[in-house]
Amino acid sequence: RKEVEQDPGPFNVPEGATVAFNCTYSNSASQSFFWYRQDCRKEPKLLMSVYSSGNEDGRFTAQLNRASQYISLLIRDSKLSDSATYLCVVTRAGNNRKLIWGLGTSLAVNP
Amino acid sequence: NAGVTQNPKFQVLKTGQSMTLQCAQDMNHNSMYWYRQDPGMGLRLIYYSASEGTTDKGEVPNGYNVSRLNKREFSLRLESAAPSQTSVYFCASSENRGEIYEQYFGPGTRLTVT
Repeated sequence: RKEVEQDPGPFNVPEGATVAFNCTYSNSASQSFFWYRQDCRKEPKLLMSVYSSGNEDGRFTAQLNRASQYISLLIRDSKLSDSATYLCVVTRAGNNRKLIWGLGTSLAVNP
Repeated sequence: NAGVTQNPKFQVLKTGQSMTLQCAQDMNHNSMYWYRQDPGMGLRLIYYSASEGTTDKGEVPNGYNVSRLNKREFSLRLESAAPSQTSVYFCASSENRGEIYEQYFGPGTRLTVT
């Protein structure tokens, strides 16, 4: 089993749609969780850290379910500019500087 | 603020050649990192530096060396390049909010070894 698993997609949605991505992780001792976005041939950019109580940043909502070891990202009112690959990231147990990266979920928002 | 900068952006090497990838950050972050990204694989950590004066191995350190020159700069050296080191290399730095280390990335160096 991969340490971080994501549905690779692609997810094709129209502008204005709501889309959700899930990610599962294998190590119950992981302590920190993140969503990054990566545009084609660019660097990953931090979208948001994921807190235990869940958190929201504008149109983006992240949830953490420690019992089921999964993280979700919800994007409301999708924009064309949201088209990217979304990377789920968790920390290695015992070292919060070491990250385990998922392969990403590809999103295409269409006009 | 420029954030994290990397040089060069592109490089082609022949097998056996050496080179140093440069990285600098102006965010006053303590920790810095080097990753490689290959198709079909997630980002993999090569080396990291938790603070000035310290470096530690990541998942894939073989064939690489690093130097944390000062708080701003963290370089990655390939002593004898191999085709398997063809990749995109990203440098990152992090600030910590308590135990959460949010990492910020440079634009990457695209390296081809022939």
